[in-house]
Amino acid sequence: GDSVTQTEGQVTVSESKSLIINCTYSATSIGYPNLFWYVRYPGEGLQLLLKVITAGQKGSSRGFEATYNKEATSFHLQKASVQESDSAVYYCALSPNYGSSGNKLIFGIGTLLSVKP
Amino acid sequence: NAGVIQTPRHKVTGKGQEATLWCEPISGHSAVFWYRQTIVQGLEFLTYFRNQAPIDDSGMPKERFSAQMPNQSHSTLKIQSTQPQDSAVYLCASSLVSNERLFFGHGTKLSVL
Repeated sequence: GDSVTQTEGQVTVSESKSLIINCTYSATSIGYPNLFWYVRYPGEGLQLLLKVITAGQKGSSRGFEATYNKEATSFHLQKASVQESDSAVYYCALSPNYGSSGNKLIFGIGTLLSVKP
Repeated sequence: NAGVIQTPRHKVTGKGQEATLWCEPISGHSAVFWYRQTIVQGLEFLTYFRNQAPIDDSGMPKERFSAQMPNQSHSTLKIQSTQPQDSAVYLCASSLVSNERLFFGHGTKLSVL
């Protein structure tokens, strides 16, 4: 079945340093899945950070970027210079791009980002 | 826009009791989703409605769990004879149309003693 893997459960980065959170996926659908990053800030609900539906394209939001790499089946999240306000839990997700399940999101385990001042 | 509203925020039940969780999607959204989150399993898809009709319940445990959407303004997740392993945060989400972004509620934390 479809799955998403985030290898780091927790990442700690100093403010103004660069960040990469790894995400790989496995999809059994005929077409390519849609890929997402969702984020949960402290005290808030889970919300969409960025979305890419076309292989090879890059999505960006709030200084974060992720490129849909279909060859490597990866969708790593990157930021050049993190801020303390970026501290949150980040979830990689995919939605199968077929049939009635096209809207269902399958999530990775999540990565807790802690940014040190 | 109040967002997706889930009630109660916390629910404590005794083993064997029934638990009903409520979700009010964002007005006008046609798709409603239920997820369960635990430390071990992470976020697991349970079930999904579109225009109140059940579309995909492949993540629902076969026994004791049921979900309904009697009208466009609310959905319920019912767990009969709750067990300690049902303890989790249950999240509801809605979206405007298919393949649109999901808006999540804050979740209901269920604790089964």
